[in-house]
Amino acid sequence: KNEVEQSPQNLTAQEGEFITINCSYSVGISALHWLQQHPGGGIVSLFMLSSGKKKHGRLIATINIQEKHSSLHITASHPRDSAVYICAVAVGGGADGLTFGKGTHLIIQP
Amino acid sequence: NAGVTQTPKFQVLKTGQSMTLQCAQDMNHNSMYWYRQDPGMGLRLIYYSASEGTTDKGEVPNGYNVSRLNKREFSLRLESAAPSQTSVYFCASSEALWSGGLDTQYFGPGTRLTVL
Repeated sequence: KNEVEQSPQNLTAQEGEFITINCSYSVGISALHWLQQHPGGGIVSLFMLSSGKKKHGRLIATINIQEKHSSLHITASHPRDSAVYICAVAVGGGADGLTFGKGTHLIIQP
Repeated sequence: NAGVTQTPKFQVLKTGQSMTLQCAQDMNHNSMYWYRQDPGMGLRLIYYSASEGTTDKGEVPNGYNVSRLNKREFSLRLESAAPSQTSVYFCASSEALWSGGLDTQYFGPGTRLTVL
């Protein structure tokens, strides 16, 4: 069973700060997902990656397959970035669902 | 497109009652999933359906049954609800069968279930 660990569990920062959220997993994967859960509860996919780096706006996700580690970065953070960020991994074909970390609760203060 | 819809949004049951959570997607996706989310824990997979006509157990299937009614709909049934099933339930779908995990999962808005 793949264990997915996220750190930190909680993070409070000031608007404009550079944010890093980390994710590590215990066994080999086919892909890693980063998701965002809004305060209202909805969950949306931010990134899927199996190698290297992806960027979307102010969000950057990286993965190191050898070290079994991924990071999610937020540049120029804003209060609207406040949410729970969830790391999840897929093993094998991926049709059998994802294994999730517990999430990182991020609060950006104005 | 509505995406993934779930009904009901909220439900309160008494121990021993039964109910069915409904999920539908209008994106012509092949795979559908049921997850539960509990405080202090990550989302956990209950059951999944890789394609129409197939269902498989996930990490926490005990106490649940599922039906993949057609390509659009995937329901989750609690036959005899227990307080341990108090949770938020999310349905999700994804397009491809064999994508190596590189396939976006689209989530429904969730059902908040309380079992007294």
